[in-house]
Amino acid sequence: GENVEQHPSTLSVQEGDSAVIKCTYSDSASNYFPWYKQELGKRPQLIIDIRSNVGEKKDQRIAVTLNKTAKHFSLHITETQPEDSAVYFCAASIGPSGSARQLTFGSGTQLTVLP
Amino acid sequence: GAVVSQHPSRVICKSGTSVKIECRSLDFQATTMFWYRQFPKQSLMLMATSNEGSKATYEQGVEKDKFLINHASLTLSTLTVTSAHPEDSSFYICSAISSGSLNEQYFGPGTRLTVT
Repeated sequence: GENVEQHPSTLSVQEGDSAVIKCTYSDSASNYFPWYKQELGKRPQLIIDIRSNVGEKKDQRIAVTLNKTAKHFSLHITETQPEDSAVYFCAASIGPSGSARQLTFGSGTQLTVLP
Repeated sequence: GAVVSQHPSRVICKSGTSVKIECRSLDFQATTMFWYRQFPKQSLMLMATSNEGSKATYEQGVEKDKFLINHASLTLSTLTVTSAHPEDSSFYICSAISSGSLNEQYFGPGTRLTVT
């Protein structure tokens, strides 16, 4: 099955700096890669996603890049703010095209933005 | 946007008893729902995939007789933890995929189960 590795496990940045979180996946058939933000005791919230036919996607301060050849994708947060502090999870879809998609999650990154 | 609810949000039960958790899609029909378990400071681990009108598909290592899943309608799936033990204490989260979207999963708010 699919295996998703995520690094780093913890990341501290100064407010205003950028944060980068990286993930690798094992199944070359994976074609959907969402990123989630989870605050303590709350549900994961989708913040951005990318499909395998796209190399980069940006939404305001958040961007995701995908390298299909190397099987890795990254989350970039610019101009970080204290409210960006949370646990971030990457995920990869292992379902076949056209059917419901099971997600395999990375291990998570605790991001702390220091004021 | 698509909303998924879970009930209860928190439950405390005694060892040996059973607990039922409900997952509802409030404004869309969910052909598929997923059940995850999340231990403190860990990732979400998929337990099972629930399809309306058919038997759930369990992940390796998840006991189907212990974690009973029923997806009786397009808006409701239930997870029953039978004969609960303290090691079953965890955060249980469901998610749903609408019939109109094959990618995005909409997550419920989670249920904190504590077995004493």
